[in-house]
Amino acid sequence: ETGVTQTPRHLVMGMTNKKSLKCEQHLGHNAMYWYKQSAKKPLELMFVYNFKEQTENNSVPSRFSPECPNSSHLFLHLHTLQPEDSALYLCASSQEGTGPDEQFFGPGTRLTVL
Amino acid sequence: KQEVTQIPAALSVPEGENLVLNCSFTDSAIYNLQWFRQDPGKGLTSLLLIQSSQREQTSGRLNASLDKSSGRSTLYIAASQPGDSATYLCAAQTGANNLFFGTGTRLTVIP
Repeated sequence: ETGVTQTPRHLVMGMTNKKSLKCEQHLGHNAMYWYKQSAKKPLELMFVYNFKEQTENNSVPSRFSPECPNSSHLFLHLHTLQPEDSALYLCASSQEGTGPDEQFFGPGTRLTVL
Repeated sequence: KQEVTQIPAALSVPEGENLVLNCSFTDSAIYNLQWFRQDPGKGLTSLLLIQSSQREQTSGRLNASLDKSSGRSTLYIAASQPGDSATYLCAAQTGANNLFFGTGTRLTVIP
């Protein structure tokens, strides 16, 4: 596989469920990002990891919990979500998050919260 | 805070036409400006990245220009094709992780 991959591509969950989104990058990058894309809104940056360390949390509710076990993998653990959390969740990576690097995006996970 | 605006929100053109998509940003202190394409329900595909020191970038039928002083960028698509139908997003980068996106222009090219 090449580039940035995300699984699952689609997810439907109830408000009491626990689920996880997975992102994997095959580009040898050191920075990974989670974005949320809601209808008619700009992409919103959620979390940033540089060399496995979280460097940014953009005031995201605690029901979203990121995990970065290594520079190639990024997870977003979901728990007790709300219907307004339904959105497209995009993962991205860049060479090194300490400078203005070009970001490469995955295909996204379409999340629906019932 | 950087704000990025894209006008129009939607655009329909007949096949073969040349077209221009507009992007404006409020803070001219940017590192680069990037244009992306997004197909329905899909992720973002990077089209062109213009560094702050550059005026334009070209790739095939696409040409992107950047005027930092006026806070504007344009994406020119020549000889449009139905396969160009998608949403086009611009994003201004103001720091290491600060990529600010517009809401996009949804382009439909009519055969």
